[in-house]
Amino acid sequence: QKEVEQDPGPLSVPEGAIVSLNCTYSNSAFQYFMWYRQYSRKGPELLMYTYSSGNKEDGRFTAQVDKSSKYISLFIRDSQPSDSATYLCAPGGYQKVTFGTGTKLQVIP
Amino acid sequence: EPEVTQTPSHQVTQMGQEVILRCVPISNHLYFYWYRQILGQKVEFLVSFYNNEISEKSEIFDDQFSVERPDGSNFTLKIRSTKLEDSAMYFCASTVGRDEQYFGPGTRLTVT
Repeated sequence: QKEVEQDPGPLSVPEGAIVSLNCTYSNSAFQYFMWYRQYSRKGPELLMYTYSSGNKEDGRFTAQVDKSSKYISLFIRDSQPSDSATYLCAPGGYQKVTFGTGTKLQVIP
Repeated sequence: EPEVTQTPSHQVTQMGQEVILRCVPISNHLYFYWYRQILGQKVEFLVSFYNNEISEKSEIFDDQFSVERPDGSNFTLKIRSTKLEDSAMYFCASTVGRDEQYFGPGTRLTVT
């Protein structure tokens, strides 16, 4: 079983849609959870960070963590064409972050 | 807003040559990392560095790799004898504590 699993997509949605991106993990040692956005051939850009189960909201983005089921979600409201990128689920442990393969999102104008 | 910077943005080298990739982490950060991403694949952890020593390294980080913080601002990754399979994007990251990591824009290494 992979440590972090994401549906690679691509996921295509119309502009203005609510996007739901999901991720599962297997390692109970993960203590904090991040979502990164990565544009093609660029570095990962930190979007959201949380360390507890529950929801965390930042503007149009909401991160949801359920540690009991090892399930992480990122919701994007009012999606924009500029949100088109690959979204990386990234739970972290003591010394490192373990990345999922990423979900490629395309928001169509 | 402070950011992690990396140089060069693109490095082309011949197989067997040594390369040094450079990073300037965010100034008040204490933990430093290198990751790599082979084209089309996921980002993979290489090494973490704290208090002038390696904290953890992956199985990718073999004897051909080394890291150094030669002064108060730079953090370097050296590959002693590059192989074709070392071709990848290399990302530096830093963090204040052991939590949210901020990544640089990456160095694209091409080994021919």
